[in-house]
Amino acid sequence: SQTIHQWPATLVQPVGSPLSLECTVEGTSNPNLYWYRQAAGRGLQLLFYSVGIGQISSEVPQNLSASRPQDRQFILSSKKLLLSDSGFYLCAWSVGTRASYEQYFGPGTRLTVT
Amino acid sequence: ELKVEQNPLFLSMQEGKNYTIYCNYSTTSDRLYWYRQDPGKSLESLFVLLSNGAVKQEGRLMASLDTKARLSTLHITAAVHDLSATYFCAVDIKNYGGSQGNLIFGKGTKLSVKP
Repeated sequence: SQTIHQWPATLVQPVGSPLSLECTVEGTSNPNLYWYRQAAGRGLQLLFYSVGIGQISSEVPQNLSASRPQDRQFILSSKKLLLSDSGFYLCAWSVGTRASYEQYFGPGTRLTVT
Repeated sequence: ELKVEQNPLFLSMQEGKNYTIYCNYSTTSDRLYWYRQDPGKSLESLFVLLSNGAVKQEGRLMASLDTKARLSTLHITAAVHDLSATYFCAVDIKNYGGSQGNLIFGKGTKLSVKP
């Protein structure tokens, strides 16, 4: 069966510090991978998605970046965090079929920028 | 502009009552998903609706899709406290020119079921 991991689970970082969040998927090959952010009490905002190694599409211009160094690894980074980067970061995966691209979500990383 | 609108955004209901959450979207799509999120937790997939007229039921929840009206509903029957959570609908925008499997989420409906 497929599983998705995210770490760390929680993170408190000062403004201006760097960030690296990691997401890995097990039990599937060539998944589509996604990074979402959810601000407190808000909906989900798609940040990045990837359909393959080294292929990253950005949905929202910001000070974040993403990379996919391996088939089942997706990394979210920042060189300098802003207060507005605080939120709940969710990684998701899907396997594209003609019928459905249902997405499955990881446990999330709660980031607080102080 | 592609929009996915849920209403209500907040719903407080008593146990045993019935209610419906609505999800309207502004583009053609024949794929719609419902997710549940418990406080502080990730999203859990509830229903996958893949065609016009699709109806799925699980316990006290039933979801339906009308692609002509661009509307999905999530009906709650005889609510119980365990259903308290935030419910999101998400529209697959592949037909909108998006890439594989991009979903646009509604803002969520926070449901509170009280005794």
